[in-house]
Amino acid sequence: LAKTTQPISMDSYEGQEVNITCSHNNIATNDYITWYQQFPSQGPRFIIQGYKTKVTNEVASLFIPADRKSSTLSLPRVSLSDTAVYYCLLPNQGGKLIFGQGTELSVKP
Amino acid sequence: SQTIHQWPATLVQPVGSPLSLECTVEGTSNPNLYWYRQAAGRGLQLLFYSVGIGQISSEVPQNLSASRPQDRQFILSSKKLLLSDSGFYLCACRTGVSYEQYFGPGTRLTVT
Repeated sequence: LAKTTQPISMDSYEGQEVNITCSHNNIATNDYITWYQQFPSQGPRFIIQGYKTKVTNEVASLFIPADRKSSTLSLPRVSLSDTAVYYCLLPNQGGKLIFGQGTELSVKP
Repeated sequence: SQTIHQWPATLVQPVGSPLSLECTVEGTSNPNLYWYRQAAGRGLQLLFYSVGIGQISSEVPQNLSASRPQDRQFILSSKKLLLSDSGFYLCACRTGVSYEQYFGPGTRLTVT
């Protein structure tokens, strides 16, 4: 059963680039890596998904090294509104998403 | 894209009372549906998921149950609530091969 490990919390300042790294040493060959964002009292929101190398969308970039044992979510030029909890997930049996504790990102002015 | 409706938004119930939370989905058909619970703090616990009408898989044994009477309707129930049932209940759906799940607005349940 693949498991992910990510920092419990991170601090940043407005305008900085934030990189959140997730470790998944036991990732399976067919597993995709998925990241979600959650604001207080709201459901999580899908950010990005990838299998290998680099994926970029209008919100973030996802970097995955060749061994796929880790991944890094990169948020360019964060603002106060990016303060949230960020989850790194691998799909479980049957495509279920199991959410861990996530990384609480705090962006300061 | 999909829209998920959940109600009520907040609920305060006494211990031992029954519970019924409803989730409906618009904008898609044959979705996979999920119920999650988030206790105080972080981390979502997957409670139930369904791949079709009448098909329910339970992830955690407890005094909750789920039903899917229609393709886009998912109901979470309990006959007798416990204090430990308090939390933020979220319904989610997924379609296709992507692992993108859409979440509803949630129901904040307080058991007193």
